[in-house]
Amino acid sequence: DQQVKQNSPSLSVQEGRISILNCDYTNSMFDYFLWYKKYPAEGPTFLISISSIKDKNEDGRFTVFLNKSAKHLSLHIVPSQPGDSAVYFCAASAETSYDKVIFGPGTSLSVIP
Amino acid sequence: DSGVTQTPKHLITATGQRVTLRCSPRSGDLSVYWYQQSLDQGLQFLIQYYNGEERAKGNILERFSAQQFPDLHSELNLSSLELGDSALYFCASSVGADTYNSPLHFGNGTRLTVT
Repeated sequence: DQQVKQNSPSLSVQEGRISILNCDYTNSMFDYFLWYKKYPAEGPTFLISISSIKDKNEDGRFTVFLNKSAKHLSLHIVPSQPGDSAVYFCAASAETSYDKVIFGPGTSLSVIP
Repeated sequence: DSGVTQTPKHLITATGQRVTLRCSPRSGDLSVYWYQQSLDQGLQFLIQYYNGEERAKGNILERFSAQQFPDLHSELNLSSLELGDSALYFCASSVGADTYNSPLHFGNGTRLTVT
């Protein structure tokens, strides 16, 4: 049973446009969400996070939106750059479940120059 | 550079064999986590150690075991290997014991191929 879903395996966006990566979760106990970025032959690196007490968190070109009622979050990248081409993993954790972070399967983003 | 070191980068072995993957966490981090990424799959949590003690267990097979040593490096032992064990194995570390509200720092992974 996949608790964190990323239904788009891949996404292509033109340089300078907005990239929107989506993530859905099923466990209502999740209250902390993270996005990781992964380049080929490297490990994932932390990008941005959001707590369930917020509905938006912004860091430079990256903004994460959380819709708790829909159990949905999205990562917006504006403007997209070729260097943003990578696999993006959505992840979730629950304060009441201290033991692990659950990752989605990832979305491969290609930013076309 | 995340500061987390994993060796070896690549490992090719035969079914039935046993291998050991090694991880050195980021300086100052007390927790080590092991994740498995199979083809087209997300990162599956295997096990966590904190300051030498097992902290949490995920979907780790009985053929797999891990430990964390006094110098905080960790080893993941995979035995009686099967073709389906072929995957990328990531180690991650964090300062505290809880993953909640604390981003993980990942190594570059060990790619295991079982033939």
